[in-house]
Amino acid sequence: GQNIDQPTEMTATEGAIVQINCTYQTSGFNGLFWYQQHAGEAPTFLSYNVLDGLEEKGRFSSFLSRSKGYSYLLLKELQMKDSASYLCAVRLTGGGNKLTFGTGTQLKVEL
Amino acid sequence: DVKVTQSSRYLVKRTGEKVFLECVQDMDHENMFWYRQDPGLGLRLIYFSYDVKMKEKGDIPEGYSVSREKKERFSLILESASTNQTSMYLCASSTLGQGGGNTIYFGEGSWLTVV
Repeated sequence: GQNIDQPTEMTATEGAIVQINCTYQTSGFNGLFWYQQHAGEAPTFLSYNVLDGLEEKGRFSSFLSRSKGYSYLLLKELQMKDSASYLCAVRLTGGGNKLTFGTGTQLKVEL
Repeated sequence: DVKVTQSSRYLVKRTGEKVFLECVQDMDHENMFWYRQDPGLGLRLIYFSYDVKMKEKGDIPEGYSVSREKKERFSLILESASTNQTSMYLCASSTLGQGGGNTIYFGEGSWLTVV
C-alpha cells in the first residue's frame, strides 16, 4: 500500500520560519505536491516537485529527496493567515493524474 | 481561473436515502475526481473519471457510484446512505496529462451528515 506521513500539528510564531516534513513510501513516484487548506475551504495548490532539490516561490519553498522518500515545505516570515492545514500528496506513476494524500499537518501561527 | 462548483455545501440526509452530490467544472478538464475528507484520515479517493462515461474506482469505492454523462459534470451517488458516510466530500478536476506540475483543482466541498 501507499504510505505518506506528516506531523499532525505544529505551532509557530508570527514572523518565524517553519518546516513541515513529509515522508512517503509508495509504489512508483511521479511528483509531489503541497496544498494549503483553510478550515471549511477547498485545498489550494502551493508547490510541486518531481526532481531532487529546492523549489522556491515567494515565502514558500519545497524540497524533495527522492532517494530518501522525503519532502518538506518551508514557510518563511510567517503570518497569521498561514494558519491552515498543509497537505502533502504524491502522484503515482501510471495512475493517470490521481493524487494520494497524507493526513495533513495543522499549522497554528501565534503572536 | 479554474472553477469547480459543488451544488450543495451542506446536506442532512436520513439513513437509507439515495443521495446525489453534483460537481461542475468550467475548464474543459478531462479528469474529474471525488474524494472524501475525514479527520485523521486525510483525503481519500472514491472514484475518478478521465472521460465521459468512463470511471475508475479509487481507494474507497464501496457504497458509492458515479456518473459522468457530460464532460463538465461528475456526480457522486450514495445508493443507500449510512451514518459512516457522514463526511466532507471534495470534487476536483484536472487536465489529462500527468506530467509536470499538472495539479488538480478542488471545489469548495460538500458537508454531508447522515442521521
